[in-house]
Amino acid sequence: GEEVAQTPKHLVRGEGQKAKLYCAPIKGHSYVFWYQQVLKNEFKFLISFQNENVFDETGMPKERFSAKCLPNSPCSLEIQATKLEDSAVYFCASSQFGVAVSNWGYGYTFGSGTRLTVV
Amino acid sequence: DQQVKQNSPSLSVQEGRISILNCDYTNSMFDYFLWYKKYPAEGPTFLISISSIKDKNEDGRFTVFLNKSAKHLSLHIVPSQPGDSAVYFCAALQTGANNLFFGTGTRLTVIP
Repeated sequence: GEEVAQTPKHLVRGEGQKAKLYCAPIKGHSYVFWYQQVLKNEFKFLISFQNENVFDETGMPKERFSAKCLPNSPCSLEIQATKLEDSAVYFCASSQFGVAVSNWGYGYTFGSGTRLTVV
Repeated sequence: DQQVKQNSPSLSVQEGRISILNCDYTNSMFDYFLWYKKYPAEGPTFLISISSIKDKNEDGRFTVFLNKSAKHLSLHIVPSQPGDSAVYFCAALQTGANNLFFGTGTRLTVIP
């Protein structure tokens, strides 16, 4: 499809529970990016993939967070043992190119996000 | 450490007037800047961008100005329309990198 599909739209988890978020990139896009939007609208880059391979994970917390992009499946972001501070909106973006902009113009398309609330 | 800053959390403008949204950055390695518009419950949508080799880029009612020496950029919307009411995010990147650094956003309200 022509949009990045994120599911679920809302997710509520008790502290300590696992949370799993999904992202289906636009067909033909090889790159997938995850961002976390926390309080005060601050966006934080988490991780990017080129197909099923991790491309850049410099923003990924070392513990509790993991992500995968497997062939013929939506990409996923999983948080083990959620904490209150994990409450945020998680945005996925996909791109045909490996960069946010290129000589061909703008590359990213964002999904509408998953709002995770940890209680 | 916030590398991209939008110091005005909100802005109200009368319909038909100019809206000016500001953004500052600290990392001199950034060489590409983008503005996004975001409605509630939707993802950010790309609005306009500018390369650091330029100081102005215009697209219809939207113009972005870049002052590299001041590490400052601004988005001008003229004339402002009620449908422009949204949160506007400034973002920056280094050429070749694939992740964006975002500001904290400015909520624009255009009053009919």
